[in-house]
Amino acid sequence: GQNIDQPTEMTATEGAIVQINCTYQTSGFNGLFWYQQHAGEAPTFLSYNVLDGLEEKGRFSSFLSRSKGYSYLLLKELQMKDSASYLCAVRVYNFNKFYFGSGTKLNVKP
Amino acid sequence: DVKVTQSSRYLVKRTGEKVFLECVQDMDHENMFWYRQDPGLGLRLIYFSYDVKMKEKGDIPEGYSVSREKKERFSLILESASTNQTSMYLCASSSLLAGGLPNEQFFGPGTRLTVL
Repeated sequence: GQNIDQPTEMTATEGAIVQINCTYQTSGFNGLFWYQQHAGEAPTFLSYNVLDGLEEKGRFSSFLSRSKGYSYLLLKELQMKDSASYLCAVRVYNFNKFYFGSGTKLNVKP
Repeated sequence: DVKVTQSSRYLVKRTGEKVFLECVQDMDHENMFWYRQDPGLGLRLIYFSYDVKMKEKGDIPEGYSVSREKKERFSLILESASTNQTSMYLCASSSLLAGGLPNEQFFGPGTRLTVL
């Protein structure tokens, strides 16, 4: 089966840096996606990794290690509006499906 | 501005009713997906479609069916609604990358369905 793990909840301070981890055990891995979901809203795409290494997009970066089945999302210069859930999703070769983790709720405090 | 729309934000139905959830995307995407989202369980794939009239079962298809008669529209049908189908339903679409891989997904606002 497919197994994707993320911490349930994290708290960080405005202006700080936070790292949200995602570990996965899947067969047929071919990409990992990060989404942001504010309460009551739809998820929106943040970042994507298919090869090992770091992808940077402004304040957000995502890292992937395929050999370790591990990814993280790094958020810098945290803002209050970054309070949201962050979803890790793995794409697999089997019909190109996506499997989602249960999400990490990030609370940013002043 | 790209958009995925869903027919209702909130829906209340009775056990045994047939329920239709509609999803429309305006991005000419090949792939469309239906998920349900429940606390602690994340998004779980119900069905997806990679072309008109094509459909594939996801991980939890029981009690659901789908229809894709036009490229922009993907419908989820609950044949006989039950209380355990009370959930948030999210539709998504994605384009295809070279090699047939689906790109990142664009999500609709969701339909919160309550079955009494």
